[in-house]
Amino acid sequence: QPVLTQPPSASASLGASVTLTCTLSSGYSDSKVDWYQQRPGKGPRFVMRVGTGGIVGSKGDGIPDRFSVLGSGLNRYLTIKNIQEEDESDYLCGADHGSGSSFFWVFGGGTKLTVL
Amino acid sequence: QVQLQESGPGLVKPSETLSLTCTVSGDSVITYYWSWIRQPPGKGLEWIGYVYDSGSANYNPSLKSRVTISLDTSKNQFSLRLNAVTAADTAMYYCARVNGAAILDYWGQGTLVTVSS
Repeated sequence: QPVLTQPPSASASLGASVTLTCTLSSGYSDSKVDWYQQRPGKGPRFVMRVGTGGIVGSKGDGIPDRFSVLGSGLNRYLTIKNIQEEDESDYLCGADHGSGSSFFWVFGGGTKLTVL
Repeated sequence: QVQLQESGPGLVKPSETLSLTCTVSGDSVITYYWSWIRQPPGKGLEWIGYVYDSGSANYNPSLKSRVTISLDTSKNQFSLRLNAVTAADTAMYYCARVNGAAILDYWGQGTLVTVSS
């Protein structure tokens, strides 16, 4: 199964942009990754799914246009433009590694985004 | 709007059984799949398992010998039972919906379960 690696922390100033990275382990360059936002004291919120061609399907409910994704090689990126205070959260990535109708999810350790 | 809410004891003694329930509103548990995920303090998420149809289930191999996930369609709920718990099972436990694209698209707020005597 794939291992997903995320930097533990990132920071950006109010109104700036930031790109968060989720790196898949070797051999999984075709895998899709799901991004989640987790605000303090809340459950994760689905942001969007990303493959090597960019977004797969639709964004999660209420996700602003400021959020976008890209995929390249083993990396899956989440970019947030015009950062707002409300974007300060943990950002998690996850991937389904199942086959057929059986699913098996693995997750990265998360990146804590601080808005300066 | 789909909403999920976890409930159950916040404290369980070692070697006993952890039991949690997830109540679903805005959707029926006979549609899609329904999953449990946990997050130990300071650590990442770990997928536990899911249930679907009339009660078929699939579990993380690392927990398979101790876990059961079941559906109660009359109450629109699904439940988690984890046997023989140890301190390593202390975690925030989340329930979530799995949509047709295998995305965990709606999550509950989570409930903290501490294993301690």
